Amino acid sequence: QKEVEQDPGPLSVPEGAIVSLNCTYSNSAFQYFMWYRQYSRKGPELLMYTYSSGNKEDGRFTAQVDKSSKYISLFIRDSQPSDSATYLCATTTQGGSEKLVFGKGTKLTVNP
Amino acid sequence: NAGVMQNPRHLVRRRGQEARLRCSPMKGHSHVYWYRQLPEEGLKFMVYLQKENIIDESGMPKERFSAEFPKEGPSILRIQQVVRGDSAAYFCASSPRRDRGATEAFFGQGTRLTVV
Repeated sequence: QKEVEQDPGPLSVPEGAIVSLNCTYSNSAFQYFMWYRQYSRKGPELLMYTYSSGNKEDGRFTAQVDKSSKYISLFIRDSQPSDSATYLCATTTQGGSEKLVFGKGTKLTVNP
Repeated sequence: NAGVMQNPRHLVRRRGQEARLRCSPMKGHSHVYWYRQLPEEGLKFMVYLQKENIIDESGMPKERFSAEFPKEGPSILRIQQVVRGDSAAYFCASSPRRDRGATEAFFGQGTRLTVV
């Protein structure tokens, strides 16, 4: 079993739709959870960073963590064509941990 | 403040040659991480370095791969005697603080290595 599972998609939605991206993880020691956005041929860009269960909102983006079910989500409201990218979930055991464990990424296309 | 700088952006090597990938961290960052992204795969941790020290190299292949972060100059990821399976995108990330570690890491644009 992989440490972090993420549906690779691809996911295609119309502009304005609400997008839900999800990951599951297996290691209870994971404490910090991140979502990265990666445009084609570019480096990953940190979108959201959360610790512990609950929700965190930033503009059109909401990150949700449910530690009891080892499930993390990213919601994008009012999706835009510029949101078209690959979204990577990542996690690590502690704030000072040196390594991030990534999901494979979900490729999202928002159609105008 | 320039971001994490990687060069070259694209590198083509013949089988058996050496590949050298460079990474200059963001100003003020003293922690560097290297990740590899194979086609259709997520990023995989390779190595974590501080100036003049390798802290964690648990993700590095046992042979042909090495990394350094000297007191002066960029971090270098070196791949000797490259094989076709080494073809991938190699990303460098840097962070400012040990206590926040990889959670505050910022990534460069990557070096895309192609072995022919």
